[in-house]
Amino acid sequence: QSVLTQPPSASGTPGQRVTISCSGGNFNIGRNAVNWFQQLPGTAPKLLIYRNDQRPSGVPDRFSASKSGTSASLAISGLQSEDEAYYYCAAWDDRLNGCLFGTGTEVTVL
Amino acid sequence: QVQLQQSGPGLVKPSQTLSLTCAISGDSVSNNNTTWDWIRQSPSRGLEWLGRTYYRSKWYNDYARSVRSRITINPDTSKNQFSLQLNSVTPEDTAVYYCARVFQTATYAKWFDPWGQGTLVTVSS
Repeated sequence: QSVLTQPPSASGTPGQRVTISCSGGNFNIGRNAVNWFQQLPGTAPKLLIYRNDQRPSGVPDRFSASKSGTSASLAISGLQSEDEAYYYCAAWDDRLNGCLFGTGTEVTVL
Repeated sequence: QVQLQQSGPGLVKPSQTLSLTCAISGDSVSNNNTTWDWIRQSPSRGLEWLGRTYYRSKWYNDYARSVRSRITINPDTSKNQFSLQLNSVTPEDTAVYYCARVFQTATYAKWFDPWGQGTLVTVSS
């Protein structure tokens, strides 16, 4: 497995809750912590979640995440127009000895 | 506050060498709790981790299998920066290239923060 699998898109109306899944395997998500990144158009990815469920300072608590087994998920509650972006998960893979990134999910606010 | 500033050409000819540099401010390339990584992003390949350099009493490198025969990542302690060289490039190497600091608190817990601003590198004659 060379990537982590995410749904290509997700959407919601302002104020709704949106959830994004990230599916991996035993050697990556199963053994290592998951990161989540937000990428706005034309900018570098920005760390949103680290160590499965920790938010860096400055990240709103509307963003939350969890991990179970070989899968992880990111939830955005109280969806806002500024949350329109691509979201990526990532985890180290012990078998590849490298980092795997998710396929990315485009979040649209309707 | 840690910041990474990338520099290097945006156009490289096929078969030549892609070279980028990432200057570090607010941290040291020799920090024992970090690695210094390169990642690229293209529409066809998505986000792809390329490799890293790090110091743990001596310097180490790890490279992605997809580019292992062509890549070199080097630290420069005198300038507190690190570099990427990718040899024998083809149009398939056209991508936005990012450098990033990876902070590590345990073997299982690593995270990429911050990232450089990104450099679009086009491979074309």
